[in-house]
Amino acid sequence: KAGVTQTPRYLIKTRGQQVTLSCSPISGHRSVSWYQQTPGQGLQFLFEYFSETQRNKGNFPGRFSGRQFSNSRSEMNVSTLELGDSALYLCASSLEGGVFQPQHFGDGTRLSIL
Amino acid sequence: DAKTTQPPSMDCAEGRAANLPCNHSTISGNEYVYWYRQIHSQGPQYIIHGLKNNETNEMASLIITEDRKSSTLILPHATLRDTAVYYCIEGIYGQNFVFGPGTRLSVLP
Repeated sequence: KAGVTQTPRYLIKTRGQQVTLSCSPISGHRSVSWYQQTPGQGLQFLFEYFSETQRNKGNFPGRFSGRQFSNSRSEMNVSTLELGDSALYLCASSLEGGVFQPQHFGDGTRLSIL
Repeated sequence: DAKTTQPPSMDCAEGRAANLPCNHSTISGNEYVYWYRQIHSQGPQYIIHGLKNNETNEMASLIITEDRKSSTLILPHATLRDTAVYYCIEGIYGQNFVFGPGTRLSVLP
């Protein structure tokens, strides 16, 4: 069974640009969460999507947004990039079958802002 | 902020059991204890979770104290591939995780 796939693996952008990252969850998984990981702040929750609706949101500015498609694939967008947005962005999916199902993480997209 | 407390680092000899402690003194009755690990350059990997009872799976064992204020993750026979950052997280099913800095486990040959 294929795992969570994130594309691209690496990305370099400059300040002020915008970026879109993609996440394909494990087949059958309906919940997709996004996290940002930096050396200083660690792993921080961005938002979660379930059935194309944002269900939870972390404490990040509105420049960070996301969406989920009917096939559960998800994208996150960061506009007006800042140097501090340099990070590893991780996507995680889970089944949401009514009992606990662990979140399965992809290997992330490493975003570097110049 | 994370609600759990873990030692920042630990060493373990290859082949020996690695016992990773976690304090979660403010855990509530419906919060689970979850363990994940992150090997360098990879996403976090689910290990095990529990509510009250001790749990075991093919990767590890989880021992939760009777008062649920602390737990220990046990890797019975650590290998070099178990070198990673281990995260202990408390939370309610359906809510998203708050990761702390975790414990950096180094398995030494």
